[in-house]
Amino acid sequence: GENVEQHPSTLSVQEGDSAVIKCTYSDSASNYFPWYKQELGKGPQLIIDIRSNVGEKKDQRIAVTLNKTAKHFSLHITETQPEDSAVYFCAASISNQFYFGTGTSLTVIP
Amino acid sequence: SAVISQKPSRDICQRGTSLTIQCQVDSQVTMMFWYRQQPGQSLTLIATANQGSEATYESGFVIDKFPISRPNLTFSTLTVSNMSPEDSSIYLCSVARGLGNTIYFGEGSWLTVV
Repeated sequence: GENVEQHPSTLSVQEGDSAVIKCTYSDSASNYFPWYKQELGKGPQLIIDIRSNVGEKKDQRIAVTLNKTAKHFSLHITETQPEDSAVYFCAASISNQFYFGTGTSLTVIP
Repeated sequence: SAVISQKPSRDICQRGTSLTIQCQVDSQVTMMFWYRQQPGQSLTLIATANQGSEATYESGFVIDKFPISRPNLTFSTLTVSNMSPEDSSIYLCSVARGLGNTIYFGEGSWLTVV
């Protein structure tokens, strides 16, 4: 089955800097890649997603890139703010089955 | 998106007891799922809750331990039976909605078994 790896497991950045989280997947049939943000005490919240027919997608300070050839995708957060501090999960989907990465704990230092 | 309400949000349970978690969605959905998130870990799919039929369980999860009901297209329950401390986790209800069946999560039910 699909295997999703996520790096780094923890990430600390200064407020205003950029943060990048990377995921790789193993099954080239995966065609949908969502990212979730989980704040302490809350459920995961979808923040951005990308489909396999698109290379990049942006939503304000958040962007996701996809390299199908290399089978990896990344989350980019620019101008980070303290409220961006959370755990971020990537996922890859095949035929409505979702496979999650192990999570990245992001800390934005004021 | 979807509004997904879970009850209870948090509970402390005695080992050997069972607890039922309820999930209510703001509108009808075809696909509902239950996930487990152990402390500091990622998300693991327990089962797909099928309306009008038995749930479909993932490897490592069995109906006797995690019975699931899905009486209609907006509601489901997950019971954690005969709990042990290893069952201490966040249990998340999720639904698939929209183009490509994007999945959305509830706020989770945080269970601690003592």
